[in-house]
This record gives sequence, C-alpha cells and structure tokens, in this order.
Amino acid sequence: QKEVEQDPGPLSVPEGAIVSLNCTYSNSAFQYFMWYRQYSRKGPELLMYTYSSGNKEDGRFTAQVDKSSKYISLFIRDSQPSDSATYLCAMTGQNFVFGPGTRLSVLP
Amino acid sequence: DVKVTQSSRYLVKRTGEKVFLECVQDMDHENMFWYRQDPGLGLRLIYFSYDVKMKEKGDIPEGYSVSREKKERFSLILESASTNQTSMYLCASRVQGGSYEQYFGPGTRLTVT
Repeated sequence: QKEVEQDPGPLSVPEGAIVSLNCTYSNSAFQYFMWYRQYSRKGPELLMYTYSSGNKEDGRFTAQVDKSSKYISLFIRDSQPSDSATYLCAMTGQNFVFGPGTRLSVLP
Repeated sequence: DVKVTQSSRYLVKRTGEKVFLECVQDMDHENMFWYRQDPGLGLRLIYFSYDVKMKEKGDIPEGYSVSREKKERFSLILESASTNQTSMYLCASRVQGGSYEQYFGPGTRLTVT
C-alpha cells in the first residue's frame, strides 16, 4: 500500500462548480497536512496547510482533515478557469510525503 | 518573496553523460531537497541536505549524488545518465524546523537519449 493515495484524475468541471479533491494515507504519525497547487511547467506552491484534524478556510478554499479516517480533502467553491492545475496533497511527521496529484480542469 | 532558481528549464543529454543540475535559493534556508516528478508517481525524494556539507539519502538515491558546498546552493549529479532518469527534477528549500512549507523551483525537464 502506498503511503499516500490520491486519484490522479483528470477531473473536468464547469466554471462555478464545487470541486472536491481527496487523499488517503496510512501513516498515523503525520501531523501537518498540506495542499500544493502546480500549474503547468511550474513548481508546486503551497496553497493551504492544516495542523492535525479539523477544517481551515481561505477564501474559496477549504481544507479538511479527518485523522481518525486518515482522509484529507480540499474543497474549491465557485471554481474558476484559473484554478486549472494539478493539486498535490502532502503530509509530514518525520518525513515529507506527497501524493501523486490530481489534474483539475475548470471549463469556462 | 522566496526565490528558488534552477539552472536549466530543459536539458537533453546522452546516455552515459555526467549531468549537473544546480539549484540556488535566496532565503538563507538550511534545508534543501531534490525530487523527481513522474506521471502517476508524484514527487519522489532523491536527496536532501540539512545544512552545508550535510546530505541524506531520500527514497530513490541510486544513480544520483549531491553536493552542498554553500548554504544557498544544492547540486544534483547524475554520474552516468540513463534513459530511466528522464524526468522532471524539482529543487526545494525550507527553513530549519519549518514543519509544513517547502518552496519549490520551476523544475528542470531532463531528457536522456
């Protein structure tokens, strides 16, 4: 079993849709949970992070962590074409581990 | 703004060549990382460095070596490039003790023919 699993997509949605991106993980030692966004031909950039379980909201983005289920989510409200990118979940305890990424396309 | 730069965006090398990938960061970060990114496999850690002249193997160090002579510079070396090393290479840096944020460079797309 991989340490972090993420549906690779691609996921295509119409502009304005609510997007849900998810990751599952196996290592209960993870404490910080992050979402990185990677535009084509660019390096990943940190979008949001959460420490331990709970929700965190930043504008149109909400990150959710459920440590009991080892499941994290990123919700994007009112999605825009500029949100089209690959979204990588990442988590860290002793080591930094990335999911493989989900490619999202938001169609105008 | 933190800036991480990589020496080349695109590189084409022949099998057996020695390849140097350079990474420079301007934020005085202690920690630096080299990853490769392949479709379906995500980012995989090759090597990292906690500080100058220190290095640790990551998950896939075979066929690679690194050098960190100065704090701002972390080099990845492919001693004898092979076609299975064709990939996107990403460098990142992080402040010592920073738990969650790594700052990435734009990546180097390496093709080995």
